[in-house]
Amino acid sequence: SQELEQSPQSLIVQEGKNLTINCTSSKTLYGLYWYKQKYGEGLIFLMMLQKGGEEKSHEKITAKLDEKKQQSSLHITASQPSHAGIYLCGAYHSGAGSYQLTFGKGTKLSVIP
Amino acid sequence: DTGVSQDPRHKITKRGQNVTFRCDPISEHNRLYWYRQTLGQGPEFLTYFQNEAQLEKSRLLSDRFSAERPKGSFSTLEIQRTEQGDSAMYLCASSSGLNSYNEQFFGPGTRLTVL
Repeated sequence: SQELEQSPQSLIVQEGKNLTINCTSSKTLYGLYWYKQKYGEGLIFLMMLQKGGEEKSHEKITAKLDEKKQQSSLHITASQPSHAGIYLCGAYHSGAGSYQLTFGKGTKLSVIP
Repeated sequence: DTGVSQDPRHKITKRGQNVTFRCDPISEHNRLYWYRQTLGQGPEFLTYFQNEAQLEKSRLLSDRFSAERPKGSFSTLEIQRTEQGDSAMYLCASSSGLNSYNEQFFGPGTRLTVL
């Protein structure tokens, strides 16, 4: 089973609309990371969340971490075509000494002008 | 540009051939990671170096795969006797060792196609 489940798998929104992407972990989180990927390219780091209740924003993107639910949400306000891409959540699941990130399958976002 | 760089960006090879990829991390980062990503999936961890020491290896890293980081700077990933199932994007990432769970910065990837 997938350790990190993302929903939805894909999303098509009209430019200017708000949207939310969710990431749920089946294991204890030691850090939750959001990345964006353009097709065929590397990952661009967006935000890192480590503490329960933590919320971070960058431009029109806000991410929150619910430690009790082992869940994070990524919210985009007033979406633009430049927001299109694949959003990936990644997490450290093990304790000290293991630094491998586990990723969800990604959410493909399309923004229609 | 001081980000993570990877070379080559694309590689097409025939089944059975050996291939080698290079990764140059961000200069002050002592941790380096290799991941593999197939279509429609998130990246999967392959291996991790702290300086020149290879500290973690995934079960995905079969004996046909070998990674090195000889001087604690750049790293190479070699695949011997390539198979069609090796076709994927190979991503390298680096992070500093200042905190336990620092963010990892990724390179543009090397796309491997095995014919």
